[in-house]
Amino acid sequence: AQSVTQLDSQVPVFEEAPVELRCNYSSSVSVYLFWYVQYPNQGLQLLLKYLSGSTLVKGINGFEAEFNKSQTSFHLRKPSVHISDTAEYFCAVISYGGSQGNLIFGKGTKLSVKP
Amino acid sequence: NAGVTQTPKFQVLKTGQSMTLQCAQDMNHEYMSWYRQDPGMGLRLIHYSVGAGITDQGEVPNGYNVSRSTTEDFPLRLLSAAPSQTSVYFCASSYRDSNQPQHFGDGTRLSIL
Repeated sequence: AQSVTQLDSQVPVFEEAPVELRCNYSSSVSVYLFWYVQYPNQGLQLLLKYLSGSTLVKGINGFEAEFNKSQTSFHLRKPSVHISDTAEYFCAVISYGGSQGNLIFGKGTKLSVKP
Repeated sequence: NAGVTQTPKFQVLKTGQSMTLQCAQDMNHEYMSWYRQDPGMGLRLIHYSVGAGITDQGEVPNGYNVSRSTTEDFPLRLLSAAPSQTSVYFCASSYRDSNQPQHFGDGTRLSIL
C-alpha cells in the first residue's frame, strides 16, 4: 500500500519569494506521482506529473518538481510566487499498473501569498 | 469539451432527505469516482467505477449509493442525509491506465441541517 505525507499544512510566503511545498511518499513498488492545485471554490487541476525519465518535471504556471527516489520525495517548487498562486496544493501517488481507485492524495498544503 | 460537469453546485437538505448528485463527463473516460473533501481531511474516496455496469467501494462508502449505466454518467445518491455528510463533493474521471491524471468537476457544496 502507498501513503503520501505533505509535511506542511500551511505555507505563508511573500510575493516574488521562492517556495517549496514538500511531499514524501511510501511504497514498496514503483509509482507515478502527481501534483494538483485547487483554487478557491474550484475543483482540482493537474499541475504536473512524474511518470518516468528526467527527475525534474516542469508544470504549468512556472512550477516544477523533483522526483528523488532514494528520499521518496516529490517536492514542488516555484522560484518566484504571485498572489494568484494562493491555493491549496495536493500531492498524489499511484503504483505502476494500479487501479485509479488506488490513487492516494496527501492532505494538502495551503499556500498563502502575501503582498 | 465541457470536461466533468457536476450539478447542482450548492444544495441544502434536511436530515433524512434523499438526493442525487449528478456527474457527467464527455471525454470517454472509463474511470469515474466520487470524493468528499472536508477541512484537514484531504480527499476521501467514496465510490468509483472502472466502466459501465461496474462499481466499487472506496474509503468512505457508507450512506451513499452509485450506479454506472452509461460511460458518461455517474450519479451519487444520498439515501437518508445526515449532518455528517455535510461536505464538498467532487466527481473525477480519467482513462483507466494508472499513468493518466484524473480530471475533476467544480464540486457540489452540500449542507445537511
